[in-house]
Amino acid sequence: EVQMVESGGGLVQPGGSLRLSCAASGFTFSNYAMSWVRQAPGKGLEWVSGISVSGDNTYYGDSVKGRFTLSRDNSKSTLYLQMNSLRAEDTAVYYCAKDFHNGDWYPHWDCWGQGTLVTVSS
Amino acid sequence: EVVLTQSPATLSLSPGERATLSCRASQSVSNYLAWYQQKPGQAPRLLIYDASNRGTGIPARFSGSGSGTDFTLTISSLEPGDFAVYFCQQRGNWPLTFGGGTKVEIK
Repeated sequence: EVQMVESGGGLVQPGGSLRLSCAASGFTFSNYAMSWVRQAPGKGLEWVSGISVSGDNTYYGDSVKGRFTLSRDNSKSTLYLQMNSLRAEDTAVYYCAKDFHNGDWYPHWDCWGQGTLVTVSS
Repeated sequence: EVVLTQSPATLSLSPGERATLSCRASQSVSNYLAWYQQKPGQAPRLLIYDASNRGTGIPARFSGSGSGTDFTLTISSLEPGDFAVYFCQQRGNWPLTFGGGTKVEIK
């Protein structure tokens, strides 16, 4: 069974940092590009960041560019999102999501984790 | 940035009725559009990719059409489990964007 489990969310003060992890299983992680998508409470979906199969290419939404860093460890089937300089508007449930097709960068997502809540507040 | 405008915001229908949801892009995204279903407290579920292709295990009552700037998701006969929020998403232009969603509620 394909599964992704996010962890690392929590309460952090404005300006603080947090690292999210997404542990994948049930598929060949190294064959798929991955992304993070977030959803503020009661709001819609926002794509945050994506990474290629090898990890050589990373992509960011304008709202997080320069503050967030995405990486992956294919040997551990794990995705990481380092979030720095956090702001109140970063408060959201963060989902990791798997590309539908294998190979590089096909950002429609057929498998999502359960999400981890990040709250930025003093 | 490509803005995806979904309409209507809310659709009130009864089980068995046909639902037609619209997603309009501010510029062409070719056929690079997906539809997702989201229920309360759950992650989104991929229904349609590349405008008209059903995702794995998605029932035939869900269909997608359109290209360029105008797209439609049709649910031919609503079942109780179909009452949810539906989002469109494009991968044709940077950055990747989602529509604001259409809530399909029980009338």
